[in-house]
Amino acid sequence: EADIYQTPRYLVIGTGKKITLECSQTMGHDKMYWYQQDPGMELHLIHYSYGVNSTEKGDLSSESTVSRIRTEHFPLTLESARPSHTSQYLCASAAPGGDYGYTFGSGTRLTVV
Amino acid sequence: SQKIEQNSEALNIQEGKTATLTCNYTNYSPAYLQWYRQDPGRGPVFLLLIRENEKEKRKERLKVTFDTTLKQSLFHITASQPADSATYLCALSRYNNNDMRFGAGTRLTVKP
Repeated sequence: EADIYQTPRYLVIGTGKKITLECSQTMGHDKMYWYQQDPGMELHLIHYSYGVNSTEKGDLSSESTVSRIRTEHFPLTLESARPSHTSQYLCASAAPGGDYGYTFGSGTRLTVV
Repeated sequence: SQKIEQNSEALNIQEGKTATLTCNYTNYSPAYLQWYRQDPGRGPVFLLLIRENEKEKRKERLKVTFDTTLKQSLFHITASQPADSATYLCALSRYNNNDMRFGAGTRLTVKP
């Protein structure tokens, strides 16, 4: 049963639109992550957060921004969507410490036309 | 630069056999190595974690080995079933677990 929820599951949007991808978790995890994954390719970390009011950029350069005002909520925003943003976006969370696996949401499949 | 390589893009085996997937890495000293299962259009699901000071870990039909000298992990599924068909991802991280890096995955197909 999923304890981390992403909405929408699918989104088709026009170039130049502003979009926010939602991610919420009910496990009280401090650590949360956003990954981008193209079909058949590895996941790339684009943003992460250690807790409320903490956000960091990941390895992959991204034009998106994130916020962490509440522990359970970690939304990702694209101010002006472009076709190059077409991808699957995966949100994850993890318990404190290093020896826990990540819990992933089902992802948002974004298509920018 | 750091690199994680999983042995092949696709692996096809017969039901009942043991599937063995390989994960090799370079230019990295992970504290933890994890394996995930990913089904099409879904997020990865955590399966197993093994620490740098552990050689082997088992969970039901799954077994993971970790050789930090060879910089390699092997992931075994014994008595494989068609329901095991999925993409399996290897992931490495350091102690803080904030920089977990994933391989591209191996797509396993178990034929009845």
